[in-house]
Amino acid sequence: SYVLTQPPSVSVAPGQTARITCGGNNIGSKSVHWYQQRPGQAPVLVVYADSDRPSGIPERFSGSKSGNTATLTISRVEGGDEADYYCQVWDSSSEYVFGTGTKVTVL
Amino acid sequence: QVQLVESGGGVVQAGRSLRLSCEASGFTFSSFAMHWVRQAPGTGLEWVALIAYDGVNKFYADSVKGRFTISRDNSKNTLYLEMNNLRSEDTAVYFCARDVGRHMDVWGQGTTVTVSS
Repeated sequence: SYVLTQPPSVSVAPGQTARITCGGNNIGSKSVHWYQQRPGQAPVLVVYADSDRPSGIPERFSGSKSGNTATLTISRVEGGDEADYYCQVWDSSSEYVFGTGTKVTVL
Repeated sequence: QVQLVESGGGVVQAGRSLRLSCEASGFTFSSFAMHWVRQAPGTGLEWVALIAYDGVNKFYADSVKGRFTISRDNSKNTLYLEMNNLRSEDTAVYFCARDVGRHMDVWGQGTTVTVSS
């Protein structure tokens, strides 16, 4: 089955930049989506199709992809960005796959 | 506004059945494929099942195939998940979500299923 690997945690000071990686075999050929999940809440889509933002999502959230790694970048981090973040792709053999998740802590 | 509201969760004994519902509002439900996604306590998100907009095509994660059935009633704007032969590992918060372009753009608040042994 297809696996997406994320770092368990990322810590960042307010105002700085957080980068969350998502690695998977041949991820360059897949469309990557990112979700934010605050404690006790439902996930929220923050980036889709590698680098597009849904309406209402701040420009501080951006996505990119290079080689076998996709990256979610959060610029000018705020306390409200503290949450778990998941990447997701569709794979022909595994259907819908979520990454292992990354907890972002704002110091 | 666009909204999904799940219901039907609860505590159930292992081996028994439970049916979850997800009522949609604020959009044309019959035009969208729909997902169930679950999250076991303290763990990440796990995709469970997908049903096409018209209910014809259905897809399941290997972990639930043969035990869970996804269905929908477009006349009632409602999505269902019939869960049979429940196991302790099915304990989770179950979310319904709208599909658009092979990702999920709208999520419900979730309903909790606890399977007791």
